[in-house]
Amino acid sequence: GAGVSQSPSNKVTEKGKDVELRCDPISGHTALYWYRQSLGQGLEFLIYFQGNSAPDKSGLPSDRFSAERTGGSVSTLTIQRTQQEDSAVYLCASSPSGRGGYTFGSGTRLTVV
Amino acid sequence: AQTVTQSQPEMSVQEAETVTLSCTYDTSESDYYLFWYKQPPSRQMILVIRQEAYKQQNATENRFSVNFQKAAKSFSLKISDSQLGDAAMYFCAYRSVQGAQKLVFGQGTRLTINP
Repeated sequence: GAGVSQSPSNKVTEKGKDVELRCDPISGHTALYWYRQSLGQGLEFLIYFQGNSAPDKSGLPSDRFSAERTGGSVSTLTIQRTQQEDSAVYLCASSPSGRGGYTFGSGTRLTVV
Repeated sequence: AQTVTQSQPEMSVQEAETVTLSCTYDTSESDYYLFWYKQPPSRQMILVIRQEAYKQQNATENRFSVNFQKAAKSFSLKISDSQLGDAAMYFCAYRSVQGAQKLVFGQGTRLTINP
């Protein structure tokens, strides 16, 4: 597609439930990033995929968070046993390579009630 | 680890005037990239301007320009002839050239344009 697509746009879930957030990067972009933006805060790095290399998971806040990227394209961020502090906007970005400019999606706003 | 600081949580400016947003950063690296991103209510982060640290010349993009002071580790954004469409959150960000490719963001500055 023309841009980075994220779904769903908004998600409300009950505490303790699992959620999956999806990111469709720009076709041909080998690098994909996930960031979290809590209310009124800057963006916090979560995870980075580059081609077939092992992902950089150094930003994942707990073992409840995981992400995968299938076929070098679509990525899914999974949050297990959601907590209220997980409420945030989750932004995905892709890049032609690890060194190129980023293009961001419009994010998924997750609300845990 | 690198850090980015934006000391102005909010700024406002009259339409058609000029405003400067501040950003400082901390790093031990000599080569890196610096960015300003704009985030309107649509949530999408839009790249405003980019600066390579090895370039002494300040980057400009139409009404947007930066004042890059490498020794002072300062990277301010100047918006000239402010327009209503410039209203948004503005984030300063740092990225290493080598190693980790993640962006490190500041906390953001909310810019309001007064008609």
